[in-house]
Amino acid sequence: ETGVTQSPTHLIKTRGQQVTLRCSSQSGHNTVSWYQQALGQGPQFIFQYYREEENGRGNFPPRFSGLQFPNYSSELNVNALELDDSALYLCASMPGRSANEQFFGPGTRLTVL
Amino acid sequence: EDQVTQSPEALRLQEGESSSLNCSYTVSGLRGLFWYRQDPGKGPEFLFTLYSAGEEKEKERLKATLTKKESFLHITAPKPEDSATYLCAVQADAGNNRKLIWGLGTSLAVNP
Repeated sequence: ETGVTQSPTHLIKTRGQQVTLRCSSQSGHNTVSWYQQALGQGPQFIFQYYREEENGRGNFPPRFSGLQFPNYSSELNVNALELDDSALYLCASMPGRSANEQFFGPGTRLTVL
Repeated sequence: EDQVTQSPEALRLQEGESSSLNCSYTVSGLRGLFWYRQDPGKGPEFLFTLYSAGEEKEKERLKATLTKKESFLHITAPKPEDSATYLCAVQADAGNNRKLIWGLGTSLAVNP
């Protein structure tokens, strides 16, 4: 069974640029959540996708957007990057939106200069 | 407002010295409380889910318990490889959105 994978591992961007982060969910999982984790903080919920549709959103501005594909992989897009967007971005998958346990990928470390 | 507070922020133990980590929460409609372990620069690793007060779960040297207001993660005779940040999260009743509310974590260091 393949776990959750994310790419890239690390990324450096400059302020104002746009970035796309990718996540492949665990086999058999149709629900993906994205989290932002700043250094020394707990993860903050960005949004969740269930069967290609957004299924809830946290307190993040519209420049944070996402997609889920028919194979349940997902993308997180961030436009007009700001310095405060520097963080570890985590993707978690679940076997269904009613499931409880979430299984996390290794994360993408984004640095905005 | 839904909130999760973990204490202490950091804990340093000698190998074999047992201790407990605390996670207190205020949330409407608790669906579940989760414990995760996170190593530096990596994603959280699932440890336990607790659903109702009085429930306990164990895994190797770890034991998690739950009351109506808090959860404890007991670490018995820890080893250096138990060093990590331990995160607590709660799932509130928010319709179909299984949003997790996270604490800031307890950073545990176990010295040999």
